[in-house]
Amino acid sequence: DVRLVETGGGLVQPGGSLRLSCGGSGFITNFKYMAWVRQAPGEGLECVSIIYSDGSTYYADSVKGRFTISRDSSENTVYLQMNSLRGEDTAVYHCARAVGARGGVWPWFDPWGQGTPVTVS
Amino acid sequence: EIVLTQSPATLSLSPGERATLSCRASHSVDDFLVWYQHKPGQAPRLLIYDASNRAIGIPARFSGSGSGTDFTLTISSLEPGDFAVYYCQQRRSWPPTFGQGTKVEIK
Repeated sequence: DVRLVETGGGLVQPGGSLRLSCGGSGFITNFKYMAWVRQAPGEGLECVSIIYSDGSTYYADSVKGRFTISRDSSENTVYLQMNSLRGEDTAVYHCARAVGARGGVWPWFDPWGQGTPVTVS
Repeated sequence: EIVLTQSPATLSLSPGERATLSCRASHSVDDFLVWYQHKPGQAPRLLIYDASNRAIGIPARFSGSGSGTDFTLTISSLEPGDFAVYYCQQRRSWPPTFGQGTKVEIK
């Protein structure tokens, strides 16, 4: 079993930047699609971004133009670069493998990491 | 975007009882509906994908049904480890969206 571990969260001022990392205890390079999903305090889950193996990237409207997802296969790591952070970006950020994407249908997420908290204040 | 509405918000039940959770979509998602279990401080856990398919390792007491706009997650007999928050997710259209969750708590 691969376990995903997120790092890089913390406290940042509005307008600031953070880079989140997602690594695996196993070999996640073989994971074709990866995603970041967040949960704001007291709120539900929100899919923030997905990256496919062909390099295609997708973003929620709420983060488009501010966040960038990338992956480094040699380092077995997926990243989320977050710029121009706002208070509404405060959340626990989970990385997850995205599964089942095909022909216009989007993925489900499995497994997930426990998440890393980001506070913008 | 497709809005998913889960009901009830909270379900208070005893171990051994049957839990029935509902997820309603604002537009048809065909059968592209997923269920997760989430406990505080833990990673969410995939239970059911595409409305009725149990994920690997998920016990048979968890079952999913429905299509189009109305879906149900049933836990046939609650065990102590099943008390958690359950989320549905649609993957029919972008962005993938989640419901607000149903908390299953011990009565």
